[in-house]
Amino acid sequence: NAGVTQTPKFQVLKTGQSMTLQCAQDMNHEYMSWYRQDPGMGLRLIHYSVGAGITDQGEVPNGYNVSRSTTEDFPLRLLSAAPSQTSVYFCASRRQGGNTEAFFGQGTRLTVV
Amino acid sequence: AQSVTQPDIHITVSEGASLELRCNYSYGATPYLFWYVQSPGQGLQLLLKYFSGDTLVQGIKGFEAEFKRSQSSFNLRKPSVHWSDAAEYFCAVFYGGSQGNLIFGKGTKLSVKP
Repeated sequence: NAGVTQTPKFQVLKTGQSMTLQCAQDMNHEYMSWYRQDPGMGLRLIHYSVGAGITDQGEVPNGYNVSRSTTEDFPLRLLSAAPSQTSVYFCASRRQGGNTEAFFGQGTRLTVV
Repeated sequence: AQSVTQPDIHITVSEGASLELRCNYSYGATPYLFWYVQSPGQGLQLLLKYFSGDTLVQGIKGFEAEFKRSQSSFNLRKPSVHWSDAAEYFCAVFYGGSQGNLIFGKGTKLSVKP
């Protein structure tokens, strides 16, 4: 029972490089979301999706792109990495409805130099 | 704006002592409430959740939380802390609606003294 799988676990990028953080879930959840975690800031929502083909911006979307072509996958793209994007990124999925919890991946620790 | 407040950034307790971590939410309607724990270098694990009914809910690892509507609070408690409880704890709220996103507090880091 894999749950939510994120890859890679660690990544170092140079400023200006692009990359894609992968997220996959095998629970057939409708909702998927990306958060970034920074010290003292808690988890801040970057982008989210309520189903295949539907995405929207969260609190801190600038510099990031997402797409949701399937229910299972929700990749996060960094278009041109900046040092301010150094963070730990978490993908989460959740079944539709209020009385359900979010399941989290193990996180991707990204450093931009 | 909808928000979640965890007033304590860092708490240190002695092993065996009791623990209470505070959480307050801003919205008037009864939300869906969650507590998550994050051990160093790990993802978030659900400790417990409240949706309706009995306002005292039991979770994993001996944790419990009490929903108090009058205080807009959902405080997390444990009668006797173990060294392995050292971690960061996040309160989260879902207010309903089509977006499905949880709103998180900024977290409380728990240190445990031997």
